[in-house]
Amino acid sequence: DGGITQSPKYLFRKEGQNVTLSCEQNLNHDAMYWYRQDPGQGLRLIYYSQIVNDFQKGDIAEGYSVSREKKESFPLTVTSAQKNPTAFYLCASSPGGGPKEKLFFGSGTQLSVL
Amino acid sequence: GNSVTQMEGPVTLSEEAFLTINCTYTATGYPSLFWYVQYPGEGLQLLLKATKADDKGSNKGFEATYRKETTSFHLEKGSVQVSDSAVYFCALRGDTGRRALTFGSGTRLQVQP
Repeated sequence: DGGITQSPKYLFRKEGQNVTLSCEQNLNHDAMYWYRQDPGQGLRLIYYSQIVNDFQKGDIAEGYSVSREKKESFPLTVTSAQKNPTAFYLCASSPGGGPKEKLFFGSGTQLSVL
Repeated sequence: GNSVTQMEGPVTLSEEAFLTINCTYTATGYPSLFWYVQYPGEGLQLLLKATKADDKGSNKGFEATYRKETTSFHLEKGSVQVSDSAVYFCALRGDTGRRALTFGSGTRLQVQP
């Protein structure tokens, strides 16, 4: 059963704490992405990776970090520098970076601040 | 840079009404255009796409035509159902530079029985 798995579904962060959101795909896709969704707003790109061991900043990378050590995994760390982390986080992947390719999305992680 | 502008919601319709959700874009080159749908608490699913000018994407009764002259990709459906209630996102993917999807702000559709 191929797809993208995000975990946990709900996550709570204390002040000053770093938290890591997991994203795993078994689609053998080269490219992976992290988006942030705020209520009533569109998706904004945080980071993306076109290939293993390489990643690029998106539009709102400040306060976040990523790694891409394995093709199937693209974890996102929300650091204490991110002052407003409450949002719905979506991970996505695509076979490559071609303009005609669609993105496949995970079911998301809702992050809230305690 | 690339950008997508969608009509604001929510859009509230009665069942079997005609739906139009407007979407316009700004991009260089020849982007591909997409409509995604999001049901509550879930990720996004591709609804339809068009990859070149004058292409029409269609799926589940929804249609959208890639109009380069008006830089538009409006979503239409002739007869909506309660099950179509969701948030709809217009998006583009450029053929140059950054290859990630750029999304509009989303339009919430509420269909009443």
